[in-house]
Amino acid sequence: EVQLVQSGAEVKKPGESLKISCKGSGYSFTTYWIGWVRQMPGKGLEWMGIIYPGDSDTRYSPSFQGQVTISADKSISTAYLQWSSLKASDTAMYYCVREVIVASMRFTFNIWGQGTVVTVSS
Amino acid sequence: QSALTQPPSASGSPGQSVTISCTGTSSDVGGYKYVSWYQQHPGKAPKLMIYEVSKRPSGVPDRFSGSKSGNTASLTVSGLQAEDEADYYCSSYAGSNNLGVFGGGTKLTVL
Repeated sequence: EVQLVQSGAEVKKPGESLKISCKGSGYSFTTYWIGWVRQMPGKGLEWMGIIYPGDSDTRYSPSFQGQVTISADKSISTAYLQWSSLKASDTAMYYCVREVIVASMRFTFNIWGQGTVVTVSS
Repeated sequence: QSALTQPPSASGSPGQSVTISCTGTSSDVGGYKYVSWYQQHPGKAPKLMIYEVSKRPSGVPDRFSGSKSGNTASLTVSGLQAEDEADYYCSSYAGSNNLGVFGGGTKLTVL
């Protein structure tokens, strides 16, 4: 079964750093783009960025450029989303997603992780 | 890159049809065939329902259909069922620089 399994919920304080993970299984991890999508409480979906694990080519939405870092470790089939200094406004659900077509960027995601809730509060 | 425009809400009675619109620009919806629709039930991850404007992934009922005209894409749900009540999001590829954008979402209520 093709799936993305994300790390568990996090509760952090403003200013702290955080790295959440997304492990792919059931397919060739290096040959599909993996993205991250934010959903703030009661709000819609926002695309954050995407990475091709095969060569670590990474693209960011202008709204998130410089705010987060996306990376991947192909040796363990895992993608990451990290913050160096969290803000209260980072409180949200974060989904990792996989592109539908191998080695292609079509902004079409047929595999979604279960989501990771990040709560930032003092 | 601005979000695609969707109506905040839509509704219909069981058995009826409802259409949700998704308006973008010639730089996204109007310029590419990569328009998708996602269904999200409360507390769940979104699920791909339509891709490449009108294609259905395996397992998605044929009550769901998609189309596009110019800069506006549409999702039609025919023969509404109670389980169709959910939030629906459109998305579109927007080129190699911007990559893509989501719509603001539409809450579909089955009356």
